[in-house]
Amino acid sequence: DAGVIQSPRHEVTEMGQEVTLRCKPISGHNSLFWYRQTMMRGLELLIYFNNNVPIDDSGMPEDRFSAKMPNASFSTLKIQPSEPRDSAVYFCASSLEMRGGGSYEQYFGPGTRLTVT
Amino acid sequence: GQNIDQPTEMTATEGAIVQINCTYQTSGFNGLFWYQQHAGEAPTFLSYNVLDGLEEKGRFSSFLSRSKGYSYLLLKELQMKDSASYLCAVRGIYNFNKFYFGSGTKLNVKP
Repeated sequence: DAGVIQSPRHEVTEMGQEVTLRCKPISGHNSLFWYRQTMMRGLELLIYFNNNVPIDDSGMPEDRFSAKMPNASFSTLKIQPSEPRDSAVYFCASSLEMRGGGSYEQYFGPGTRLTVT
Repeated sequence: GQNIDQPTEMTATEGAIVQINCTYQTSGFNGLFWYQQHAGEAPTFLSYNVLDGLEEKGRFSSFLSRSKGYSYLLLKELQMKDSASYLCAVRGIYNFNKFYFGSGTKLNVKP
């Protein structure tokens, strides 16, 4: 059973360039999350989707960041233009939200290590 | 707002027991999670508490006191492979999917 898949695993780009990160959630999961992790700020939630609809994007740093989920099996996080302070590890996670409650633990992908020079 | 505190780093000896504490102040509470993250890897789910008390899962146990805003993760019979960061996360009451993560506790297990 494949877990959350992210690509690329590593990305090095120059300031000003567009960066697109990709995520395939676990099949059957209906919630998808984008996180950013740095030493200074820890793990921060950027945005999450439920049934492909963005529910909360309050963590998106600024207009340079955008995320889409065109279908249940694919999501992208785009940074345009990129800046050195965007350097971080970006994780995608998915979970299954069920009626009646539950633990809703989130399963994380391997992450994309982004370096902007 | 949300405020989650954990010690930054701890060191323990192989075979010993270690307790990692987490205190939280949140505007709503609906569950507390512990995740393990090895260096350069993704966080992986360890445990979940929503009611007061102790949840045991093999060598790992997690405790919750909602009235005190306090949780701990207990690791027994420490192994070298337990060297990792341990993240405490609280789930909000208004949105079951929104987790607030602490900055993590880096555990060093020495021989």
